[in-house]
Amino acid sequence: EIVLTQSPATLSLSPGERATLSCRASQSVSSYLAWYQQKPGQSPRLLIVDASSRATGIPARFSGSGSGTDFTLTISSLEPEDFAVYYCHQRYNWPRTFGQGTKLEIK
Amino acid sequence: DVQLLESGGDLVQPGGSLRLSCAASGFHFSTYDMTWVRQAPGKGLDWVSGLGGGGGPTFYADSVKGRFTISRDNSRDTLYLQMNSLRADDTAVYYCARGVGHPDYWGQGTLVTVSS
Repeated sequence: EIVLTQSPATLSLSPGERATLSCRASQSVSSYLAWYQQKPGQSPRLLIVDASSRATGIPARFSGSGSGTDFTLTISSLEPEDFAVYYCHQRYNWPRTFGQGTKLEIK
Repeated sequence: DVQLLESGGDLVQPGGSLRLSCAASGFHFSTYDMTWVRQAPGKGLDWVSGLGGGGGPTFYADSVKGRFTISRDNSRDTLYLQMNSLRADDTAVYYCARGVGHPDYWGQGTLVTVSS
């Protein structure tokens, strides 16, 4: 199975700052990588599909990039509601897998 | 609006069985692949199983293969997860989600606790 490794485990930033989250795959997943956001007590929310396409209704401050094994989620200017846990997810092959998550916390 | 409503979570003893249901509404259920994902308390997301729109093919995580069975009843717009030989490490909130690529809509989840 493909292992997705996210870094850092925790990222401490202030509102208005830029956030850069990374996801590395153990083998190429082409561009078949998504990003999800999860807040406490809520189900995951799809942000980015296929590495760089924003899902419906996702603000433009969220962007994704990368291909192959290295991917990045960037939040250009953090809003208070952006502090949450972020997961990457691959649909390149079976079984589908998720990264272990990056917690974005307020500094 | 798309809605997914899971049910069936409970406290069950190790070795026991449970069937989860996911009632779908707001979209043409039979044309969508569906997925189960779980999340142990305080842990990350763990993909469990996926199923094609017509009832097949089926896919499973190695950790549940041979113990869990995913199925659907398109006449009832409902997805199921039959869980047998449950273990303590199956304790989690179980989410159903639409799609087997990058699932776009998720339910609120149902809690399964495996404990004696």
